Amino acid sequence: AQSVTQPDIHITVSEGASLELRCNYSYGATPYLFWYVQSPGQGLQLLLKYFSGDTLVQGIKGFEAEFKRSQSSFNLRKPSVHWSDAAEYFCAVTGGGADGLTFGKGTHLIIQP
Amino acid sequence: DAMVIQNPRYQVTQFGKPVTLSCSQTLNHNVMYWYQQKSSQAPKLLFHYYDKDFNNEADTPDNFQSRRPNTSFCFLDIRSPGLGDAAMYLCATSRDRGGHTNTQYFGPGTRLTVL
Repeated sequence: AQSVTQPDIHITVSEGASLELRCNYSYGATPYLFWYVQSPGQGLQLLLKYFSGDTLVQGIKGFEAEFKRSQSSFNLRKPSVHWSDAAEYFCAVTGGGADGLTFGKGTHLIIQP
Repeated sequence: DAMVIQNPRYQVTQFGKPVTLSCSQTLNHNVMYWYQQKSSQAPKLLFHYYDKDFNNEADTPDNFQSRRPNTSFCFLDIRSPGLGDAAMYLCATSRDRGGHTNTQYFGPGTRLTVL
C-alpha cells in the first residue's frame, strides 16, 4: 500500500529565511507526487506536481520541489518565505488511475517576524 | 474562473438527522472525489465517481452515500450523523484518470458540526 511520511509536524522559520519541508513516499510503481497548501478553514490549493521528466519542478508562489527516486523523497523548498506562507502543507501521492490521493499528516509552518 | 464550489461552507446538524453536502464544478471534469478531514488530520478519501461509475473505499462507513446526477454536481449524504462525523468535507475533481489528468483540484470544503 502507498504511504507518505512528513517527518516534521511543525516548522518555525523566520520571515525571509529559506524553507525546506520533507516528504518521503512509499509506492510500488511510478508515483505521481503533489504538494498542497491549506490555510485555516480552507480547502487545499495545489502548489506543484511531479509526474515525470525533470526532477526539479517549479510551482506557484515561488515554491519548488525535487523528486529523488533513490531516496523516495519529494521535498518542498522556497528560498525566502513570507508571512503569508504560514499554513499547513500536505504532500500526497497517487498512482496512474483514478485513485484518490494518499496524504501525509501535514507540516504546520509558522513564520516568525 | 473555472472552479470547484461547495455549499454550504458551514453546516450544523443534530445527531442522527440526515444531512446533504453539495459540490459543483465548472471544470467539466470526469472524476469527482469526496474526502473527510478531521481536525488536525490529513484528508481521507471516502469515495469517487468516474463519470457515472461509483467507487467506494473499502473502509468508508455505510452511513455515507453519494449521488452524481450529472457531470457538474455531486452530493454527499450522511444518513445518520454521529458525533464522530464532525469534520471538514472536501470535494475534489480531476479531468480524467491516468498520468497528469489525475491532478486533483479541491473546493473550499464544508465544515460539518454535529450537535
